[in-house]
Amino acid sequence: DTEVTQTPKHLVMGMTNKKSLKCEQHMGHRAMYWYKQKAKKPPELMFVYSYEKLSINESVPSRFSPECPNSSLLNLHLHALQPEDSALYLCASSQRGSGNEQFFGPGTRLTVL
Amino acid sequence: GENVEQHPSTLSVQEGDSAVIKCTYSDSASNYFPWYKQELGKRPQLIIDIRSNVGEKKDQRIAVTLNKTAKHFSLHITETQPEDSAVYFCAASMADSWGKLQFGAGTQVVVTP
Repeated sequence: DTEVTQTPKHLVMGMTNKKSLKCEQHMGHRAMYWYKQKAKKPPELMFVYSYEKLSINESVPSRFSPECPNSSLLNLHLHALQPEDSALYLCASSQRGSGNEQFFGPGTRLTVL
Repeated sequence: GENVEQHPSTLSVQEGDSAVIKCTYSDSASNYFPWYKQELGKRPQLIIDIRSNVGEKKDQRIAVTLNKTAKHFSLHITETQPEDSAVYFCAASMADSWGKLQFGAGTQVVVTP
């Protein structure tokens, strides 16, 4: 399996909802990433997990809570989001950290009403 | 932190012509430079990358050059085809940065038949 998968593909939520995004890879990669991408902009790094430990948090608001239950799974828990959080959320993975190709998932298109 | 600038923001080329996209980076410690292609509604996909110990790399119609002294790198696409139409992002990463990629703003390439 050489793909990163993400669920759901689309998500619409209200500002009081709690939801989770899921990401999975079975390539044996030990680094996993969450990115946020707005229309016509580059991906913006949110979090990096290396060997299931949080290595980078790019000053992301606490309404986004990442979780890495094991080496194949990455979750992003969402709570009390704002309309400006509407974006494409991309997960990626790589063999290790620096200097390795990052494989991106197809993303979750999130709309916050 | 690292800052990556990318030019041009849009590029229109006739099918069969060459396309060149240029990026500059600010931190001389950066040592890994990937290029991603993102088609509309799709995930970013790596098309070529280069490390700082190499000056040039080629893969069929795609080549990347790196000038460490000037801190810039370029993507060259020869014999462009309509399927090359997409947004292209350059990025830079430093060793020991947990794989953090700093992306350029992107170049929208349109290849007209």
